[in-house]
Amino acid sequence: RKEVEQDPGPFNVPEGATVAFNCTYSNSASQSFFWYRQDCRKEPKLLMSVYSSGNEDGRFTAQLNRASQYISLLIRDSKLSDSATYLCVVIPRFGGSQGNLIFGKGTKLSVKP
Amino acid sequence: EAGVAQSPRYKIIEKRQSVAFWCNPISGHATLYWYQQILGQGPKLLIQFQNNGVVDDSQLPKDRFSAERLKGVDSTLKIQPAKLEDSAVYLCASSLRLGQGDEKLFFGSGTQLSVL
Repeated sequence: RKEVEQDPGPFNVPEGATVAFNCTYSNSASQSFFWYRQDCRKEPKLLMSVYSSGNEDGRFTAQLNRASQYISLLIRDSKLSDSATYLCVVIPRFGGSQGNLIFGKGTKLSVKP
Repeated sequence: EAGVAQSPRYKIIEKRQSVAFWCNPISGHATLYWYQQILGQGPKLLIQFQNNGVVDDSQLPKDRFSAERLKGVDSTLKIQPAKLEDSAVYLCASSLRLGQGDEKLFFGSGTQLSVL
C-alpha cells in the first residue's frame, strides 16, 4: 500500500459545483496533514492544514478521520480559478521518513464555465 | 519578502552528462529540501538539510546524485551521470524549523530537467 493515496482524477465540474477529494494514508502514527495546491507548471503552495476537529477556510473544508486513516477536502461553489492539482500531504511520525512531508500523486480539478 | 530562488529554470542535457542545480532558500529558514517531481506524480523527497547537516537522504540515489549545503544557506544538487529517467522537475523548498509537525514549506519555481 502506498504511503499516501488520492482519488484518481481528473475531476471536471461546472462552476458553482461542490466537489470533494479523498486521500488515504498508510502510517497510522502520522502526525500532521495538509492540502497543497499546484497550478499547471508551477510550484506547490500550501492550501490548508488539516486538524482533527476539522477546519474551514472560506469555501474550503478539510477533515481528518484518524480511525479510517483518511483526509478529505471539500470545495463549495467552485470557481474557474480553483482549477489546479490538489496534493494530499502527510508527515509520518516514525520510520525513515520521520518529519518529512510525503506527497500524494495529486488530483486534478478542472472547473468549467 | 523574497521567496526561494532556483536556477536554472530549464535544462536540457544528453544522458551520461552532468548537471547541477542551485537553490537559495528564504532568509532565516533552517531547513532545506530537494524534491523530484516526475510528470503526473507528486513531489518525492530526495534530501533534507537542517542548517548544513543532512537529516534524511534515504531516497537519494547516491550513486549518481549528490547535494551539499555549505554554510547552511545555499544548496546545490548534482546529477552525474544523468539517465533518461532523471527527467523531472527538481523543486527546492525551505521551512523555518524542523520536526514540529506544523512547518509550512515554501517552494521555489523548480528546475525542469530534460535528459535526451
